[in-house]
Amino acid sequence: DQQVKQNSPSLSVQEGRISILNCDYTNSMFDYFLWYKKYPAEGPTFLISISSIKDKNEDGRFTVFLNKSAKHLSLHIVPSQPGDSAVYFCAASDTGNQFYFGTGTSLTVIP
Amino acid sequence: DVKVTQSSRYLVKRTGEKVFLECVQDMDHENMFWYRQDPGLGLRLIYFSYDVKMKEKGDIPEGYSVSREKKERFSLILESASTNQTSMYLCASSFSGRGGRVTDTQYFGPGTRLTVL
Repeated sequence: DQQVKQNSPSLSVQEGRISILNCDYTNSMFDYFLWYKKYPAEGPTFLISISSIKDKNEDGRFTVFLNKSAKHLSLHIVPSQPGDSAVYFCAASDTGNQFYFGTGTSLTVIP
Repeated sequence: DVKVTQSSRYLVKRTGEKVFLECVQDMDHENMFWYRQDPGLGLRLIYFSYDVKMKEKGDIPEGYSVSREKKERFSLILESASTNQTSMYLCASSFSGRGGRVTDTQYFGPGTRLTVL
């Protein structure tokens, strides 16, 4: 049973515009969330994280928003660049042993 | 910079063969993980280890085993490879988390694309 869901398999955005990637989770015990970026034939690389004590975390062009009541988080990329084209995974964890990953969203930024 | 390396980028094996996938990390991380990535299914945890000689089953351990004899090395073993084990295999490592959390941010290797014929 998928505890972390990314309902949009793909997203296309024009260069310079905002990309918004969404992630929903079902387990209310999750309190730490991460986004990873993955290029083809490479492993995922850590992008940004957020703890449940916050509702926003920003790092340069990347901002993650957390809505605990809706069990929803989103990643905003502003402005989007062609090099941002990749698959983005969200992941969630409680204090347990593992992270639970979503199925990924493939972002294409069109020049 | 954290470095996680995997022994092969691409591997082709035949059904029934024993397959070893090796992973090495150089950051003295306590925790190591093996995932497989399949289209539409995301990353699924096979096994993880939080200490030398310790292992825990993840969500899909069937058909796999692991070995961790040294802190920096974590091996995934397919005892008798089958075609449904064709996949991208990703190794990750992390420090133990703070405040009782078992795992902190995980760092991934480049992956091994395994094809079983």
